[in-house]
Amino acid sequence: ETGVTQTPRHLVMGMTNKKSLKCEQHLGHNAMYWYKQSAKKPLELMFVYNFKEQTENNSVPSRFSPECPNSSHLFLHLHTLQPEDSALYLCASSQELAGGPSTDTQYFGPGTRLTVL
Amino acid sequence: GESVGLHLPTLSVQEGDNSIINCAYSNSASDYFIWYKQESGKGPQFIIDIRSNMDKRQGQRVTVLLNKTVKHLSLQIAATQPGDSAVYFCAENRGAAGNKLTFGGGTRVLVKP
Repeated sequence: ETGVTQTPRHLVMGMTNKKSLKCEQHLGHNAMYWYKQSAKKPLELMFVYNFKEQTENNSVPSRFSPECPNSSHLFLHLHTLQPEDSALYLCASSQELAGGPSTDTQYFGPGTRLTVL
Repeated sequence: GESVGLHLPTLSVQEGDNSIINCAYSNSASDYFIWYKQESGKGPQFIIDIRSNMDKRQGQRVTVLLNKTVKHLSLQIAATQPGDSAVYFCAENRGAAGNKLTFGGGTRVLVKP
């Protein structure tokens, strides 16, 4: 176990549904990330939160909406998704230094396997 | 219809042999590199990292080599075991871009008994 948990592990939803993915890290880290891993592309960074502030939105469509209420929890709210959004959604966390680039290791959760019908 | 998947290069290795997985990167400003292992149904797991001021780093049964001249990174696994079967990813942190990792496409390692 890496100290990063994700729920649910599997999710099937229709295109008109609204659902949320949850991530929790037990490592005391201050940065959290959402990644998308699909069969067609390498692992893609979606969002970055440093110290609960969103610092990166990697051109992600607005049907994906992240939320970081505190440094231990991260959510990804999903609405009106498309079948091509079916993928493994991975959460990660790391400990970052304030005020500058950092190179700390990111630790990943097991992912949520999302299928959009 | 059936979707077309990402083609992963595959390395088949006999159990007990050494494995070498290669990765090329393009950004000379990258200053930190990580190797991850991903087993089926799991998230990527940290294996070993190296900073750009080093050219070699060793862990338990693994060694990472960094050649900045040709922008090449390799992971060597000694005495490969069945549990080493997985997809291996290299990732780079592009220096001033902060804590953003860019991942390679991955290499699948299959260990034959």
